[in-house]
This record gives sequence, C-alpha cells and structure tokens, in this order.
Amino acid sequence: GAVVSQHPSRVICKSGTSVKIECRSLDFQATTMFWYRQFPKQSLMLMATSNEGSKATYEQGVEKDKFLINHASLTLSTLTVTSAHPEDSSFYICSARDSGELTYEQYFGPGTRLTVT
Amino acid sequence: GDSVTQMEGPVTLSEEAFLTINCTYTATGYPSLFWYVQYPGEGLQLLLKATKADDKGSNKGFEATYRKETTSFHLEKGSVQVSDSAVYFCALSERAGGTSYGKLTFGQGTILTVHP
Repeated sequence: GAVVSQHPSRVICKSGTSVKIECRSLDFQATTMFWYRQFPKQSLMLMATSNEGSKATYEQGVEKDKFLINHASLTLSTLTVTSAHPEDSSFYICSARDSGELTYEQYFGPGTRLTVT
Repeated sequence: GDSVTQMEGPVTLSEEAFLTINCTYTATGYPSLFWYVQYPGEGLQLLLKATKADDKGSNKGFEATYRKETTSFHLEKGSVQVSDSAVYFCALSERAGGTSYGKLTFGQGTILTVHP
C-alpha cells in the first residue's frame, strides 16, 4: 500500500513553454501533498505544501506564479512550471500524507526529470 | 529553524564492512526522525523512523537510535552489501499542528558505494 505515482517520469520541453507534472496517491487519500526539487547530488528542497481544496503554501523564495500547484482532489496534485527556462531543469519529487493515518509519514513518488532546452 | 546535518560523503566501503552515517539535528520542538534511501534513478523510500527518545528504528539490517541528549540519529549496518549502494537522507519532521503540516527537513544526503 501507500503508493504514489508521478507522470511523466521524464519530460523535455523548449524554453518558454509550460509543462505539467501530476502526482497521484494510488491507494489512499491525501489531504496534503508536498512538492520538492532536487538538484544533482544535493538534498531535497521543499517548494510548496499542497492542500486539497485550498491554495498551496509556498516556501520562501519559490515563485508562486511560476510554479502553479493545483490540488483538485484527494488523490491528485499537479505542478505546472510556466514559461520554463533552462535553470528550471531539475528533478521534481512529490510526496503525500495519508489522511487516514495519525502519523505524519510522507510517501514519495518516483520523481520527474525535467529538462528545458 | 530546524536543520539536519549529515556526515559528508561519499562513503566507499567493501562488501560486509560496517557502516555508520552520522546525523545530528536541531529542532525547536520534539521531532520525529527518519532515514530515507534513494536508489539510482528512483524516488525516496522510507528506510526507518523513530518518533521518541531512545526509540530504535530498524529495517533491512539498518538501525538508528533516537538520542535526544546528543540530538543524533546515526545510521548503522553491520555488514553492507553491494545492493545497499544508494544515497541516504536523514530527515526530521516537527509535529503537525496549527499551520504546520509535518514538513520534512532533510540533511544533504550521503552517497554510499559498496564494492564487491
């Protein structure tokens, strides 16, 4: 149980275009999901906390208008990178908390490799 | 704010060697502590966790004990295998409450390579 999927696993887009990444909890409901960014050989940086039915909470320094997050259902959150630039190339990872659990454990997706050319 | 510090890597060991990866933390409250593992090209997987002082988390031969007095959560394994080669992340999560949602704070990660 507690499986989180991400789609796509890899995406290449041209500079100036937008790309959407989906994060799904497959066998549980997730009121809260998290979006991270990971640079090569570096740790994960929390970008934002996504809450079903409300606006996402962004970490300091993360551009809200560039990284649009929508958590429209209890099993799906999306991250849209708008007007992508080469510096947005990175590994994006989502995680989800099981709404039915009392612990605060997060289950991670496999990640999405974004390359902007 | 909260922070997690891991020993710098990379760590290179021979198969069956003993492994220790140090992790210390600073936190304002009473956090839960985690070790995550990331295999090449994959996302993070929870390896083990501990939620209170003196708790020992264990999984797949790995162990870590929550030491409140030294604010540490060192990862150990008595005999590593080639398949243990991965990046290991120490992390903490404050208790969720109010506007907090139990956010994870990660250490910088330690690359482990095990040779046959």
